Amino acid sequence: EVQVVESGGGLVKPGGSLRLSCAASGFTFSSYSMTWVRQAPGKGLEWVSSISGSSTYIYYADSMKGRFTISRDNAKNSVYLQLNSLRAEDTAVYYCARGDYCSGGSCYMNYWGQGTLVTVSS
Amino acid sequence: DIVMTQSPDSLAVSLGERATINCKSSQSVIYSSNNKNYLAWYQQKPGQPPKLLISWASTRESGVPDRFSASGSGTEFTLTISSLQAEDVAVYYCQQYHSPPPTFGPGTKVEI
Repeated sequence: EVQVVESGGGLVKPGGSLRLSCAASGFTFSSYSMTWVRQAPGKGLEWVSSISGSSTYIYYADSMKGRFTISRDNAKNSVYLQLNSLRAEDTAVYYCARGDYCSGGSCYMNYWGQGTLVTVSS
Repeated sequence: DIVMTQSPDSLAVSLGERATINCKSSQSVIYSSNNKNYLAWYQQKPGQPPKLLISWASTRESGVPDRFSASGSGTEFTLTISSLQAEDVAVYYCQQYHSPPPTFGPGTKVEI
């Protein structure tokens, strides 16, 4: 059974940092791109970043480029999202998802975690 | 970026009736090389992550009830729930994966 589990969310002050983790199981992790998608409270879905199976290709949404860093450790079946210089508008549930088919960093996602809430507030 | 729009924003449908959701992209999401539309549909119930219903504009994922169907090509797409059930109350999103960045529609809320 495919499972994706996020962790690491919490309350952080503006300008602060946080590292999100995503542990995956039930599939050959290194064969799949992984994606982070976020959802602000009461809002829609927003793609954040994607990383290919071998970490060769990494993509970010323009508004997060330079502040967020995605990485993965295939030995640990995990993907990470480092969030720096956080702003109030980064408050959201951050979902980790498996990219089942990807075209140049754009994937559709078949397996999603339950999400981890990041709250940026003073 | 490809902008996705959806209509209506919300709709109320009686149990057993048909629900139709429209999605438009600001540019074509079909690749002429393979004639495939890079368009997915997701269902999100309150407090849950999105669930993939449809990929390639019309391919239903395993386990998705056959009352869900989707069609369209190029820039205009439709998701249809043929006979609405109580468990179908959710927000439905379309998403293009043709060109980076992948973009989602704003969502359509389906209620009874």
